[in-house]
Order: sequence, then structure tokens, then C-alpha cells
Amino acid sequence: DAGVIQSPRHEVTEMGQEVTLRCKPISGHDYLFWYRQTMMRGLELLIYFNNNVPIDDSGMPEDRFSAKMPNASFSTLKIQPSEPRDSAVYFCASSLVAGDPPGGYFGPGTRLTVL
Amino acid sequence: AQSVTQLDSQVPVFEEAPVELRCNYSSSVSVYLFWYVQYPNQGLQLLLKYLSGSTLVKGINGFEAEFNKSQTSFHLRKPSVHISDTAEYFCAVSNTGNTGKLIFGQGTTLQVKP
Repeated sequence: DAGVIQSPRHEVTEMGQEVTLRCKPISGHDYLFWYRQTMMRGLELLIYFNNNVPIDDSGMPEDRFSAKMPNASFSTLKIQPSEPRDSAVYFCASSLVAGDPPGGYFGPGTRLTVL
Repeated sequence: AQSVTQLDSQVPVFEEAPVELRCNYSSSVSVYLFWYVQYPNQGLQLLLKYLSGSTLVKGINGFEAEFNKSQTSFHLRKPSVHISDTAEYFCAVSNTGNTGKLIFGQGTTLQVKP
């Protein structure tokens, strides 16, 4: 299995621009998680989906962030407009059932830099 | 609400020496506990987890952890580390009602020196 695939691996953009991060979960997995990792705040769960439906988005920082899962094999995390404080590594993870493994199998991450 | 505190941000240790990475948690409800490892430029990998039963949990790569409810701790140990164990280690907690949502500690960088 190819594992969780994220693209791009690195993204550099300017403040105010729209950024879209993409994730392809492991085939057959029902749960998809988006995490953000920063030096200041560590690892935070932003949102997770079950069967393409958002279950808990309480970690989404503000309205500039939105996440969608139009089908079982694709999810996006969009930031519009982006700000320098959004600079972080964004991880996507997927799991077959909640808790196996907890929090999901992690992708390699997208390192976002907002100038 | 739950929280996790990893007491050491960095732990330097010589190769083949034992190591302990400390983790304390706070929760008003029953919890599940986990340790993850993150190698440079990679995602997180589950090392081990405590769900119930024996308080001593063995994981991959020779790591183990002990759940201590009275101390609200879940320290990670390895009797003899290798250079390849150099990585960042995260302790995490979830409530027993929902193992999909994890609260992570700030991480501990393990630096194994030759």
C-alpha cells in the first residue's frame, strides 16, 4: 500500500494568497484527520472526517480555514487568505476504524511557509 | 478536558545506554495513552498504546511504557538505545469514548550520541 499521500510536500506562498493542501488517504480507510504542527503549539488536530462527513472541526483555528472531503479518496485543506502565522507542517492521517491506530496512519506532511 | 505534559524537551544519551522519556497527563475521565515517534521530515508512527489491562505495554523497536494511574504518568523506556532511535517522541491521550481524537504533548527530542 502506498500509505497516506500528501501534496505538495513543500509550499511557499505570500501573505494573502490562497493555499490548498491535498490528501489521499489509504484505500478503504473510513476516517481522515488533518493535524497541524508548529513549534509554539505542537501537534493539534484540526478536523476529522468519517465516511466523508466532518465529525469534529473544533480545532479549525478560524474561518480562513476550510476542509472538504468530496469522496473517500480525496480531501483538501484550504487557507484563504493565508497569514505568516499559518506557517507549519500540516499532516493528514487516515484509519480504518476510529482508534486503529488512534489518530490514524500519518502522511509525510506538507511544510507550509507563508511570507 | 485533557492535557499532556512531556517533562523534557530534549534528552541526550549515549548509544547503548538506557533512556526514559517522561509523560504526565491530566484528565477527569478515563483515558487511553499513546507514544508516537517522528523521524526527521516524516509523519508520526505509533510506538505503543495503553488501552486497558496490563500497565506495562511493549511496543515496537524495543520500547516499553508503564501506565501509572496514581501518578498519572506514562513514561517511555528503552534499556539500550541505538543511533537510529534519534527522533522526536510524542506522548498523547484520548478519552475512552473517542479514540479518534488525540491530545499531544509538546514532544521530546531524543539525541543518541555515539
